[in-house]
Amino acid sequence: NAGVTQTPKFRVLKTGQSMTLLCAQDMNHEYMYWYRQDPGMGLRLIHYSVGEGTTAKGEVPDGYNVSRLKKQNFLLGLESAAPSQTSVYFCATRLPHGNTIYFGEGSWLTVV
Amino acid sequence: EDKVVQSPLSLVVHEGDTVTLNCSYEVTNFRSLLWYKQEKKAPTFLFMLTSSGIEKKSGRLSSILDKKELFSILNITATQTGDSAVYLCAVEKMVGTSYGKLTFGQGTILTVHP
Repeated sequence: NAGVTQTPKFRVLKTGQSMTLLCAQDMNHEYMYWYRQDPGMGLRLIHYSVGEGTTAKGEVPDGYNVSRLKKQNFLLGLESAAPSQTSVYFCATRLPHGNTIYFGEGSWLTVV
Repeated sequence: EDKVVQSPLSLVVHEGDTVTLNCSYEVTNFRSLLWYKQEKKAPTFLFMLTSSGIEKKSGRLSSILDKKELFSILNITATQTGDSAVYLCAVEKMVGTSYGKLTFGQGTILTVHP
C-alpha cells in the first residue's frame, strides 16, 4: 500500500470526544475516499472527493465531516464520537479513469 | 438507492474445488464493476469490468460481466488455501460529469481447507 498513509492506525475514544483521521497520498491522485468496514457489511462509503476543494457524501455520512484543502490530504473528522462509529476506516485513492484503487492500511477506531 | 449484493455470503471448500462468486447490482449511470481480494488488511485489486461478455483472466481467476442482467461472476479454479479471503465486488457510477463513486457489496468470505 505504498503511497497512501493513514494516521493514526489505532485509537480508542470516549463517547463525545472528537478526532480527525488523516489520509495522505503522494501519487497525485484526484479521487480520494473514506470507507468504513464493519463485519458482514463490506465497505461503506462515508465521503469522497473528486478533487482539491471538493467533497461529496457517500452512503453513511452522518456523524462525519471531511475536508480536502490540499490535493494530497483527505481528512475525516468525528465531532462527537459515538459507539456506533467503532469500526475500521479505510482511505482510498485513484486516478479519474484508473483501474486500480489504492487503499491505505486501515485505521482501527474504538469508541467506548 | 444504489445496491450491490454479493452471494453467497460465505463459502467453505476444499483445495482443488472450483468456486463461483456472484455480484448483482442496481446502480444508475453505471461505469464499471471491480473485484477485490481482502485478506488481513486492505483490499487488493483483481479485475475491472466495463463491457458485457468479455472475460478477464488472471491465472486461476476469471470474471465476466452481464450488463443486461446486471451481474458479474468471479470464478476461481483449482482453489488453494491461499485463496482464503474476503472477495469484494464494487460498482462505480458516474456522478454529474465525474466518475468515482464506488459502492461495495457485503463481501463473500471464502475459506479453502487443505
